[in-house]
Amino acid sequence: DTAVSQTPKYLVTQMGNDKSIKCEQNLGHDTMYWYKQDSKKFLKIMFSYNNKELIINETVPNRFSPKSPDKAHLNLHINSLELGDSAVYFCASSQAQGQSYEQYFGPGTRLTVT
Amino acid sequence: GDSVTQMEGPVTLSEEAFLTINCTYTATGYPSLFWYVQYPGEGLQLLLKATKADDKGSNKGFEATYRKETTSFHLEKGSVQVSDSAVYFCALRGGGSTDKLIFGTGTRLQVFP
Repeated sequence: DTAVSQTPKYLVTQMGNDKSIKCEQNLGHDTMYWYKQDSKKFLKIMFSYNNKELIINETVPNRFSPKSPDKAHLNLHINSLELGDSAVYFCASSQAQGQSYEQYFGPGTRLTVT
Repeated sequence: GDSVTQMEGPVTLSEEAFLTINCTYTATGYPSLFWYVQYPGEGLQLLLKATKADDKGSNKGFEATYRKETTSFHLEKGSVQVSDSAVYFCALRGGGSTDKLIFGTGTRLQVFP
């Protein structure tokens, strides 16, 4: 009965490879997000989608491409991985856009690029 | 732009001590304020929130009051437990930030028996 799930939990890959991280929420929420947490624990939003439509794109390199096949899923594809992409990536969802709505976070995907 | 500033950690306390983690914010408009907690190896969980000035959020013995005059949302707990050891993030949403959550840098709390 996990609310927001991500796969894989750990991902180790070499520079230059292409990889995807998947996110699913079973809360019936309209809005989903990707956040990046760096090695110092700093969290920053990358993207948000509302009903499959891109709402926020925070100056992320275009090697990162989110895709939302339906409003319950938001996947993150990363091309030509670089060392600096190593981080923990969190997916989140929210009932709707709007500042008072809580965001529910997934368990994170730890990406290590070697 | 909008921002959140938290006290640097780690904060190290003995069990049953009083906890304060300071958080101040800069925002246009009237943001909502949140505290999230991240236990080791886990994702973020919402701890408490406040959506307007003078609101007090509370949960699991933790409290924080939305103070517009001092632009602060300090987290407090009267008696911490070892199980409270985690990283605590202050965040804001709304105001000039539209829909995204803007996080502080996080404060690690370590509680020893």
